[in-house]
Amino acid sequence: SQQGEEDPQALSIQEGENATMNCSYKTSINNLQWYRQNSGRGLVHLILIRSNEREKHSGRLRVTLDTSKKSSSLLITASRAADTASYFCATAALQTSGSRLTFGEGTQLTVNP
Amino acid sequence: DADVTQTPRNRITKTGKRIMLECSQTKGHDRMYWYRQDPGLGLRLIYYSFDVKDINKGEISDGYSVSRQAQAKFSLSLESAIPNQTALYFCATSDSYRDEQYFGPGTRLTVT
Repeated sequence: SQQGEEDPQALSIQEGENATMNCSYKTSINNLQWYRQNSGRGLVHLILIRSNEREKHSGRLRVTLDTSKKSSSLLITASRAADTASYFCATAALQTSGSRLTFGEGTQLTVNP
Repeated sequence: DADVTQTPRNRITKTGKRIMLECSQTKGHDRMYWYRQDPGLGLRLIYYSFDVKDINKGEISDGYSVSRQAQAKFSLSLESAIPNQTALYFCATSDSYRDEQYFGPGTRLTVT
């Protein structure tokens, strides 16, 4: 089963609007991370939230984590056309060693100018 | 210069051929990873290495092997390529103290 499932699979919004993506996971985690991937390119790390944190901000990004519901959300405020990309959540499970990550299937975000 | 590089960037090969994908990094990280990405399936871990003498299987290691030649180099081999190994392959690195990973640009492999 997939650890880390994003919702929605695809999201299309207008520039200036906010975009919210959700991630659910199944096992206990050490931390949860969000990555961005522009079409066919390598993933870029955006933000990491630890299991004892509930909310974290970085620029226009806001991440929340609810360990009781095993879910996280990524909010991008005041979106720009350049935010068009796929967004993946990745979990570092508590039982596994080191920084081994399990990725979800991603949300494709399209921001229309 | 890119911190994590992969060669080749694109490769087309025939069924049954042996192929090697190479990854080099200048970040000084001790941990390195190989993933494959298929459309709609996200990234899946093939192998990972926490230092030169440490190699571990990921969730989909069958049909693949790896070699950690040095701290900065981690190569992935397909001993006898098959069409369902057609995918985008990514190398990534991380260090012992931080969990975020840094990805290379990817290798697009097509097996005909």
